[in-house]
Amino acid sequence: DTGVSQDPRHKITKRGQNVTFRCDPISEHNRLYWYRQTLGQGPEFLTYFQNEAQLEKSRLLSDRFSAERPKGSFSTLEIQRTEQGDSAMYLCASSLWFSGANVLTFGAGSRLTVL
Amino acid sequence: KNEVEQSPQNLTAQEGEFITINCSYSVGISALHWLQQHPGGGIVSLFMLSSGKKKHGRLIATINIQEKHSSLHITASHPRDSAVYICAVSQTSGSRLTFGEGTQLTVNP
Repeated sequence: DTGVSQDPRHKITKRGQNVTFRCDPISEHNRLYWYRQTLGQGPEFLTYFQNEAQLEKSRLLSDRFSAERPKGSFSTLEIQRTEQGDSAMYLCASSLWFSGANVLTFGAGSRLTVL
Repeated sequence: KNEVEQSPQNLTAQEGEFITINCSYSVGISALHWLQQHPGGGIVSLFMLSSGKKKHGRLIATINIQEKHSSLHITASHPRDSAVYICAVSQTSGSRLTFGEGTQLTVNP
């Protein structure tokens, strides 16, 4: 296993278009997290899954954002009607969670630029 | 006020110096994480700790639960240590992380 993979690595789109990012976690990991990071800031939580169940979604997310993990493996994050403020690095992380331990492995991120 | 505060924001050191980065948090936590981020985005988990002290090579992380404070130390710093170091906390086990803004470390040869 080569770690957490994200695709695409870079996406440039025009305002109003829809974009979708994919994350392939480490295969045995049961938890998958999405974060967003803007320049000079720490990552900001978006949502996370345990297997296929979405356990928490940030109140910062508008209804233009949706995430799925249909079979408990890969996940997609879709942004509809993109805005310039959506420009950021979208980070995916996964972990094998069990009581008391949750070390995250991060992907390299998908950088979104909205023109 | 952010729930996780780091200091300093920027740190420049000479090769070989002992480095300390501090993290304070204002919420109850189940664990605190130290992570390293290199230019281009890749984030690597360095430590996860809920008490005491952990050491890995030249890196040492400590946490004081009563004072809600953690430190990351780098001994014998090297230019390859140059990166952003981020502190993050989870309030319940396995839940989302709340991140500090990071400390940009530059180690000059």
